[in-house]
Amino acid sequence: EAGVTQFPSHSVIEKGQTVTLRCDPISGHDNLYWYRRVMGKEIKFLLHFVKESKQDESGMPNNRFLAERTGGTYSTLKVQPAELEDSGVYFCASSQVVGTDTQYFGPGTRLTVL
Amino acid sequence: GEDVEQSLFLSVREGDSSVINCTYTDSSSTYLYWYKQEPGAGLQLLTYIFSNMDMKQDQRLTVLLNKKDKHLSLRIADTQTGDSAIYFCAEKAGRRALTFGSGTRLQVQP
Repeated sequence: EAGVTQFPSHSVIEKGQTVTLRCDPISGHDNLYWYRRVMGKEIKFLLHFVKESKQDESGMPNNRFLAERTGGTYSTLKVQPAELEDSGVYFCASSQVVGTDTQYFGPGTRLTVL
Repeated sequence: GEDVEQSLFLSVREGDSSVINCTYTDSSSTYLYWYKQEPGAGLQLLTYIFSNMDMKQDQRLTVLLNKKDKHLSLRIADTQTGDSAIYFCAEKAGRRALTFGSGTRLQVQP
């Protein structure tokens, strides 16, 4: 079974540019989460989808971040315009709705804003 | 809000046991997790424990939970150089999202 995949693995952009991160969850997982780790600090929750619906977006830092999950499969996270403080590693995780709801993480996308 | 604390760094010699500690504040936590991140890799789920348990063992890993003190530990027996990584403690309460600590970097010296 394929795990959670993320694309790209690295992205280097200039301040003011736009970047779109993609996450493909494990097949059959309706829960999809985005997290971010900034500057070696703790990993912080951004938002949670159940299928195509945003269940909880309380962790989104501001309106420069837009997440979508059209069709309830893969998800994208767009940062527009990017700021220096957006640099960090963005993780995606997925889980099944039933059972222990254990979250399985992707390898992350390292975003550097110059 | 919820808070999870971990020490930043631990160094052990190969063959010794490693104990990584974590404290959390949310008394309604239902699950507690340990994730491992190797250099350049994503987060790998190592193990988890239900809040109504006080111990779980899985091969070289032993998780101890003191719910009264809100203290979680991960013991790695016979630590190997391949265990060098960052270990994250995480908890989940009513909401489905995880609350993570800052991670403990484990360095295993040969």
